[in-house]
Amino acid sequence: QLQLQESGPGLVKPSETLSLTCTVSGGSISSSSYYWGWIRQPPGKGLEWIGSIYYSGSTYYNPSLKSRVTISVDTSKNQFSLKLSSVTAADTAVYYCARLEWLRGHFENWGQGTLVTVSS
Amino acid sequence: NFMLTQPHSVSESPGKTVTISCTGSSGSIASNYVQWYQQRPGSAPTTVIYEDNQRPSGVPDRFSGSIDSSSNSASLTISGLKTEDEADYYCQSYDSSNHWVFGGGTQLTVL
Repeated sequence: QLQLQESGPGLVKPSETLSLTCTVSGGSISSSSYYWGWIRQPPGKGLEWIGSIYYSGSTYYNPSLKSRVTISVDTSKNQFSLKLSSVTAADTAVYYCARLEWLRGHFENWGQGTLVTVSS
Repeated sequence: NFMLTQPHSVSESPGKTVTISCTGSSGSIASNYVQWYQQRPGSAPTTVIYEDNQRPSGVPDRFSGSIDSSSNSASLTISGLKTEDEADYYCQSYDSSNHWVFGGGTQLTVL
């Protein structure tokens, strides 16, 4: 059974870079039918797509975050990662990683999510 | 930018039927598949409908999805409401630039 697990610091200072990693188990990140994505949810608010990556390294980013976001993949470790630079309090959120079924645009599997707080 | 608009909240009584709408801002919502996710407090979203009207295994047939091209909207209908259906529901689709989009979410209250 596919599982995704987010990991990384729960507290980041303003203006610094938020870094998270998603470890995939029970399946290969190199599967041809899937992209891998990051989604976030500020406290009490809705879901926001951040970006998605293919195992080859091809990426798509939310235009509203594109200037600050980098998503990368490490197929040898079955992981993909998120970096969000110049963070502010507005970036405080639960960050989810998910597997995206490409043809249908469907986020099929989700990690449990990790809360990242931006505060000095 | 492509956007999906949902009502902020809906409420209905147990045993009744409720419909949650999701309206696309531009283009045809029928051009790309729409998914619906259920999210309970403190948990990750789970799929209740994918590919416009398909239910994953384990989702009861009380949940159904549809597309109305005339209003450029998708709908999630839940019949025979149960208190356990109380949750937030999000629609999701994507645009021609491979940008994935979520609706703002609808809080369903079963009272």
